[in-house]
Amino acid sequence: QQQVKQSPQSLIVQKGGISIINCAYENTAFDYFPWYQQFPGKGPALLIAIRPDVSEKKEGRFTISFNKSAKQFSLHIMDSQPGDSATYFCAASMSNAGGTSYGKLTFGQGTILTVHP
Amino acid sequence: ETGVTQSPTHLIKTRGQQVTLRCSSQSGHNTVSWYQQALGQGPQFIFQYYREEENGRGNFPPRFSGLQFPNYSSELNVNALELDDSALYLCASRLQGIPEAFFGQGTRLTVV
Repeated sequence: QQQVKQSPQSLIVQKGGISIINCAYENTAFDYFPWYQQFPGKGPALLIAIRPDVSEKKEGRFTISFNKSAKQFSLHIMDSQPGDSATYFCAASMSNAGGTSYGKLTFGQGTILTVHP
Repeated sequence: ETGVTQSPTHLIKTRGQQVTLRCSSQSGHNTVSWYQQALGQGPQFIFQYYREEENGRGNFPPRFSGLQFPNYSSELNVNALELDDSALYLCASRLQGIPEAFFGQGTRLTVV
């Protein structure tokens, strides 16, 4: 129940295209869903995050779509650029009953995105 | 830059040895978590510290231990190193009650 499943494992997109990465979770207690971007040899960088009380969040070219009933969320990268080529991880965590603390991040397996010029 | 720094960047150890990895949290962040990332995998949670006490632990054996100091810096100690401990070790800092976690660049540990 703690798993977060991510697909696809790898994705190749042409410059200017839309990249879409999907994640699914089982534990309905999760209440925070971030996406991280990781370049080779670097730590994950927080890209964008969403809470389950909204269905969509947009920051620049990056959009998270969230479907609470389906227990799925996805990352859309509009106008994909070669500089977006990286590994993307979805994750989930949950707060305690009072919402005063958060526990561990549970990560998906990652998607290697390659954007061709 | 996230303001989270880890040292050393790379490390090579021999099986059976002990290792200490260090993390300096972002200023003001009182919660630190450590993760192990094997090649081609997502990070796996090792443990979390808040106010110098462990308040969450993943499925790792007791030979993985940690410390958090009053200045919120922290250490990850691994005893009796095994070949499978070879991985990128990441620390992440945040404020208690705030979910956004910021990662350091990691320490690449190779056990030979």
